[in-house]
Amino acid sequence: AQSVTQPDIHITVSEGASLELRCNYSYGATPYLFWYVQSPGQGLQLLLKYFSGDTLVQGIKGFEAEFKRSQSSFNLRKPSVHWSDAAEYFCAVLPNEKLTFGTGTRLTIIP
Amino acid sequence: DVKVTQSSRYLVKRTGEKVFLECVQDMDHENMFWYRQDPGLGLRLIYFSYDVKMKEKGDIPEGYSVSREKKERFSLILESASTNQTSMYLCASSLEGPRAQHFGDGTRLSIL
Repeated sequence: AQSVTQPDIHITVSEGASLELRCNYSYGATPYLFWYVQSPGQGLQLLLKYFSGDTLVQGIKGFEAEFKRSQSSFNLRKPSVHWSDAAEYFCAVLPNEKLTFGTGTRLTIIP
Repeated sequence: DVKVTQSSRYLVKRTGEKVFLECVQDMDHENMFWYRQDPGLGLRLIYFSYDVKMKEKGDIPEGYSVSREKKERFSLILESASTNQTSMYLCASSLEGPRAQHFGDGTRLSIL
């Protein structure tokens, strides 16, 4: 079945440490790919997107993501997290005309 | 910046009531969307609209309807609210089809 998977429900990292959030998709062709962030009590904000071209995509707030076709993955990374990065992160794919979201990864930052 | 405004942050209604959730965007976007968000399930698309008077069913339209009389306003209607419709509801709009959607802050709806 076609799907998008975020295997980590909850991740805890120390402030200043590096971060990688995983996202895998299962579609016949490469869909458009997105990462959104949701801070507590707020809606979703687009961090970055991949349509084609360079497989390393830069986004806002110092985030980047790498598309790996061979692994059907689009992992989100940040070299050094800040306390304000604590939020829920959603990977999303657009294989046709409907944006399909993963179940989200909640990120906790410890001092 | 794009502003998507949902009329209520919190709403409490009773089973059987007809419930209206309102969403307004100020960027002249053609496309608008309604999602519900539940823990462990992510966001699921209820309805979307690519033009005034136009609506399309998403993945979970049962128990819901929508209205889009004006370009900037997209309303979600719960015809007869039930407890299993207790959820966070998010509205979004976009300029380019379903890509690059801008979200409102959500309405947390409780059906008692």
